[in-house]
Amino acid sequence: GQSLEQPSEVTAVEGAIVQINCTYQTSGFYGLSWYQQHDGGAPTFLSYNALDGLEETGRFSSFLSRSDSYGYLLLQELQMKDSASYFCAVILSGGYNKLIFGAGTRLAVHP
Amino acid sequence: ETGVTQSPTHLIKTRGQQVTLRCSSQSGHNTVSWYQQALGQGPQFIFQYYREEENGRGNFPPRFSGLQFPNYSSELNVNALELDDSALYLCASSFRGQEDGYTFGSGTRLTVV
Repeated sequence: GQSLEQPSEVTAVEGAIVQINCTYQTSGFYGLSWYQQHDGGAPTFLSYNALDGLEETGRFSSFLSRSDSYGYLLLQELQMKDSASYFCAVILSGGYNKLIFGAGTRLAVHP
Repeated sequence: ETGVTQSPTHLIKTRGQQVTLRCSSQSGHNTVSWYQQALGQGPQFIFQYYREEENGRGNFPPRFSGLQFPNYSSELNVNALELDDSALYLCASSFRGQEDGYTFGSGTRLTVV
């Protein structure tokens, strides 16, 4: 089967940098995605890595290493509004595509 | 472009009843997927529809069924509701072949009592 592991909670202060790690056990996937979800809201797409390496989108960066079965999301210049749950998800290939999510990391940003 | 809209936002049902949840896909998207998200967990894949046919299913029993319409909107039907079906049900639309383009709706919060 497929599984993704990420820390359950992370705490940081405004202006800081935080890294949320994701390790996975799966094969045959297109890439690794990251989603943000505020309480009661929709998961919102943040970043996608199809290839190994770093992808940068504004304050957010994401990294993938297929050889290490590992990825991370890096959030810089943290703001209070970044307090949310963050999910890594692999896009499985094979006939049809589906997202397999980790359990999520709850990020709390403090003043 | 419009996003993904789901209705209703909240719903309370009694065990054993049936429920239908609705989803309107984002304009230009031709694939819709449904996910179940229990409290404090990540979304779990239920099934996916493309060209009005189910083309993939997760580990959910047959009492979970769906439809996709020609305008790419979709329904999720759950029969014989159980208490464990209480969850947030999310709809996600995408364009087949664009693996990074999933757009989620805000979901329907279903409570089974």
